[in-house]
Amino acid sequence: AQSVTQLGSHVSVSEGALVLLRCNYSSSVPPYLFWYVQYPNQGLQLLLKYTTGATLVKGINGFEAEFKKSETSFHLTKPSAHMSDAAEYFCAVSDFSPRGGSQGNLIFGKGTKLSVKP
Amino acid sequence: SQTIHQWPATLVQPVGSPLSLECTVEGTSNPNLYWYRQAAGRGLQLLFYSVGIGQISSEVPQNLSASRPQDRQFILSSKKLLLSDSGFYLCAWSGGVGTEAFFGQGTRLTVV
Repeated sequence: AQSVTQLGSHVSVSEGALVLLRCNYSSSVPPYLFWYVQYPNQGLQLLLKYTTGATLVKGINGFEAEFKKSETSFHLTKPSAHMSDAAEYFCAVSDFSPRGGSQGNLIFGKGTKLSVKP
Repeated sequence: SQTIHQWPATLVQPVGSPLSLECTVEGTSNPNLYWYRQAAGRGLQLLFYSVGIGQISSEVPQNLSASRPQDRQFILSSKKLLLSDSGFYLCAWSGGVGTEAFFGQGTRLTVV
């Protein structure tokens, strides 16, 4: 079964610094991977996704993530943090198997809260 | 374009009272529909999902139930709320297997 581990429940960076949020996955089949962002008391918004093809995926708000099969990782990065990036970020893997027996539901990590200091 | 509506945004209910949260999707047909519950520090827990009208799958045993009376309507219910039912509830839809999910704005439920 697929699973996701997000390393670090809280990450704090200074404005203008690099943002790195870590995500490792476990999957017995080629994974579909996603990053979402959640602002307080709101729903989740898709930042980016990886299904097939190019392993470096660019998303909204200047974020990108790189799929590394050898490391089973899908870390989220942004070169320069902005105050508006302060939010909670969730990594997710699709519970999908081409052999069937699954519905393709998303399995989420526990989230990482990003704080941005002025 | 597709939109998802979830209401109410906040709800305070006494223990033992019934619950009904509604979610509707516009701009798509035959979506997969989901109910998640979010607790602080625990991520998102999938409660129910539905691949079609009247088809409900439950992921965890609990005090809640779900129904899908129409293609784009998903309802989360309880006959008698417990304190432990408090949380942030999120409805979502997806276009099918392996695709991303799109979320509603959530309902903050407080059981007192």
